[in-house]
Amino acid sequence: SQQGEEDPQALSIQEGENATMNCSYKTSINNLQWYRQNSGRGLVHLILIRSNEREKHSGRLRVTLDTSKKSSSLLITASRAADTASYFCATAGAWGDSSYKLIFGSGTRLLVRP
Amino acid sequence: GAGVSQTPSNKVTEKGKYVELRCDPISGHTALYWYRQSLGQGPEFLIYFQGTGAADDSGLPNDRFFAVRPEGSVSTLKIQRTERGDSAVYLCASSSTPDGKVTEAFFGQGTRLTVV
Repeated sequence: SQQGEEDPQALSIQEGENATMNCSYKTSINNLQWYRQNSGRGLVHLILIRSNEREKHSGRLRVTLDTSKKSSSLLITASRAADTASYFCATAGAWGDSSYKLIFGSGTRLLVRP
Repeated sequence: GAGVSQTPSNKVTEKGKYVELRCDPISGHTALYWYRQSLGQGPEFLIYFQGTGAADDSGLPNDRFFAVRPEGSVSTLKIQRTERGDSAVYLCASSSTPDGKVTEAFFGQGTRLTVV
């Protein structure tokens, strides 16, 4: 079963605008990660945020984590047409069997119009 | 190689046939994962290896699916008596798990399996 659920399912913005995607999950986590996927093939890791962190930045990416609400958001600033892709959140559980595998959400399809 | 390699990139097979999908992980990564992704969905966990052993195969949909990693490196996902519903992209990933917890996973480009 999927752990994370992304919102919105699809997002269309103009180049230069900011894109915000949200992820909700159900159980306690060790870390939450965001991945990008082009054309339905391999996923590329973007950023990891640990359960004791609240915010993290990497270039034009900003990730927040609210463990009390079991939610995370990914912000892409000053979007470019090349950012067009599907974005997935993935969670690694806090303990036991869940801690060594990533469970993915259903993704947000982002379209950045030139 | 520098990344995770999956072969073949595409596989078309007839219903009822047997297929093998290969994954060559990043050298030194002890953790290896198989996922399955259907169109418009997120990757669905199938099986996890730590070294040579299948530590968690709870995601395998039924006993037609089996995976091995005999020497703790290359892994093969085997599907018997394929069905049209098995059509999907099969993704392999590897990771280091320094304290038993997964961090960044590196994915291959996937094998697109089509069962006709």
